[in-house]
Amino acid sequence: SQQGEEDPQALSIQEGENATMNCSYKTSINNLQWYRQNSGRGLVHLILIRSNEREKHSGRLRVTLDTSKKSSSLLITASRAADTASYFCATDSTSGTYKYIFGTGTRLKVLA
Amino acid sequence: NAGVTQTPKFQVLKTGQSMTLQCAQDMNHNSMYWYRQDPGMGLRLIYYSASEGTTDKGEVPNGYNVSRLNKREFSLRLESAAPSQTSVYFCASKTGLAVNTQYFGPGTRLTVL
Repeated sequence: SQQGEEDPQALSIQEGENATMNCSYKTSINNLQWYRQNSGRGLVHLILIRSNEREKHSGRLRVTLDTSKKSSSLLITASRAADTASYFCATDSTSGTYKYIFGTGTRLKVLA
Repeated sequence: NAGVTQTPKFQVLKTGQSMTLQCAQDMNHNSMYWYRQDPGMGLRLIYYSASEGTTDKGEVPNGYNVSRLNKREFSLRLESAAPSQTSVYFCASKTGLAVNTQYFGPGTRLTVL
């Protein structure tokens, strides 16, 4: 089963609005990452947050992590049509392996 | 610097045929990965190679084999393709340290009839 589950599955907003998507996971992690996938393309890394961090910013992106609730959120501020994509969270585990588990993704559509 | 490259980009197979998907990276990364992505789904890990000379099973390894040919190349083989293996396949790599990002190839879209 998937380690990460994103919510909502799909989101449609107007350009300029903020977009928030959430990720829940099941086991203890070392870090959590968010990736973006444009239609028909590979995934592109956006931001990584470590388990001892609560919030991180990168440009218009803001990520929070609540390890007690095993959840993370990605906020995209002042969205643009170019932000239209699918967004995935990926978690590792504390078991020491080198692999990540990806969630099912949130499909974001930003309307111009 | 090409990053992660995959060949072919598209492939159509008949049930029972075999094929090998190729992946190469020029970033001197130690770890390489093969994922499959089905419609509306996230990525599921098929196999990974933490370092040259090692390979390990992921979530969905059945029906696949891998070879870490050298540090640059990691191939995925379907010995007897089945319609359930119709998917988009992504290769990824990372330096191998515990905390860092994966770099993805553009994907191979495989259809098994």
